[in-house]
Amino acid sequence: AQTVTQSQPEMSVQEAETVTLSCTYDTSENNYYLFWYKQPPSRQMILVIRQEAYKQQNATENRFSVNFQKAAKSFSLKISDSQLGDTAMYFCAFMKHYGAGNMLTFGGGTRLMVKP
Amino acid sequence: EAGVAQSPRYKIIEKRQSVAFWCNPISGHATLYWYQQILGQGPKLLIQFQNNGVVDDSQLPKDRFSAERLKGVDSTLKIQPAKLEDSAVYLCASSPHDRPSNYGYTFGSGTRLTVV
Repeated sequence: AQTVTQSQPEMSVQEAETVTLSCTYDTSENNYYLFWYKQPPSRQMILVIRQEAYKQQNATENRFSVNFQKAAKSFSLKISDSQLGDTAMYFCAFMKHYGAGNMLTFGGGTRLMVKP
Repeated sequence: EAGVAQSPRYKIIEKRQSVAFWCNPISGHATLYWYQQILGQGPKLLIQFQNNGVVDDSQLPKDRFSAERLKGVDSTLKIQPAKLEDSAVYLCASSPHDRPSNYGYTFGSGTRLTVV
């Protein structure tokens, strides 16, 4: 079974600064996907960024980028130029590459507050 | 493209009562998931449907929870009788294939259940 751990329950950052959220996971799989989801107070989970484990290049999406360290089983999210709208819960999630039951396994979340 | 629709948005019931939640996935999405998110935790998979068949219900408390997906479209999740520990947000998600890894899922806004 896979486990995902987010060791930072809460973090804060000043507007326009950079913040990094940590995530580690445990799996015996070699091929898999990793995701960061954002959950604002509206409760809807919004996909922020995804990473395929077989790709060495770190994924980027505008102000969001990841540092994927496969050997260390680490998957951190960097948010650059933080904006007030980035305030939300952030969840790291794991998915096997294939097979029946492509369930997402989530970490416990990190609450991010962006301060003006 | 319309998103994943869920109703009701909020529900308050007394313990031992029954409750039902409804989910309408994105049109054409074959796979549907129900997740339970207890306050302060990451979502946990309850059940996964592929069309109208169950793929994984290993985490569903079958003594009180039931779910169905008639005609492979809408789905309902029922709790009977409810317990205090069932208080949570119930999230529905859908994906177009049995291997949604490329894009993760599309989530609805969830139903917040409070059992008193």
